[in-house]
Amino acid sequence: EIVLTQSPATLSLFPGERATLSCRASQSVSSYLAWYQHKPGQAPRLLIYDASNRATGIPARFSGSRSGTDFTLTISSLEPEDFAVYYCQQRSTWYTFGQGTKLEI
Amino acid sequence: EVQLVESGGGLVQPGGSLRLSCAASGFTFSSHWMTWVRQAPGKGLEWVANIKEDGSEKYYVDSVRGRFSIFRDNAKKSLYLQMNSLRAEDTAVYHCAREFLYGGSSRTYFDDWGQGTLVTVSS
Repeated sequence: EIVLTQSPATLSLFPGERATLSCRASQSVSSYLAWYQHKPGQAPRLLIYDASNRATGIPARFSGSRSGTDFTLTISSLEPEDFAVYYCQQRSTWYTFGQGTKLEI
Repeated sequence: EVQLVESGGGLVQPGGSLRLSCAASGFTFSSHWMTWVRQAPGKGLEWVANIKEDGSEKYYVDSVRGRFSIFRDNAKKSLYLQMNSLRAEDTAVYHCAREFLYGGSSRTYFDDWGQGTLVTVSS
């Protein structure tokens, strides 16, 4: 089973700051990795697919990148609505999620 | 607008059964794989099961295989999850999601989700 390890567990920032979230895969997943945003009581939202492609309607401040088995989600300038939990997910072999990073003020 | 609305959650005793439903609208339901994902209290997301467009292929996470069954009714634009032999560790919010294949990709991703329905397994 492919394990995804996200760091940090919690990230405390202010609106306007840059957020960098990491996800490391236990083995190669090629670029088959997505990022989701999840707010309590709401439906999760797909942000990034195939490591670096923004999903439909996702603002340009969200970007994704890959270096080997290390993946990064960057939010260039935080908006108040960006504070949520973020999950990475691999689609190389079945489906597994990371444990999440909570982005808080 | 794509809408996915889950229902059927509730409190059930260990060993009991429950059937979840997901009503879809705003897209051609019969053209998409569909998935169930759950989130246990205080935990992360876990993929549970998915089903091909015509229902001919179904896949499950190991922890539910043999106890849960996913099926769909394309005429009713509905997805279902029959859960039997429920355990305390099945307690979670269950989301249905649409799988979408973006152009240029060779994998589907969960591009639309419902808000979920809570299943509590407890005596």
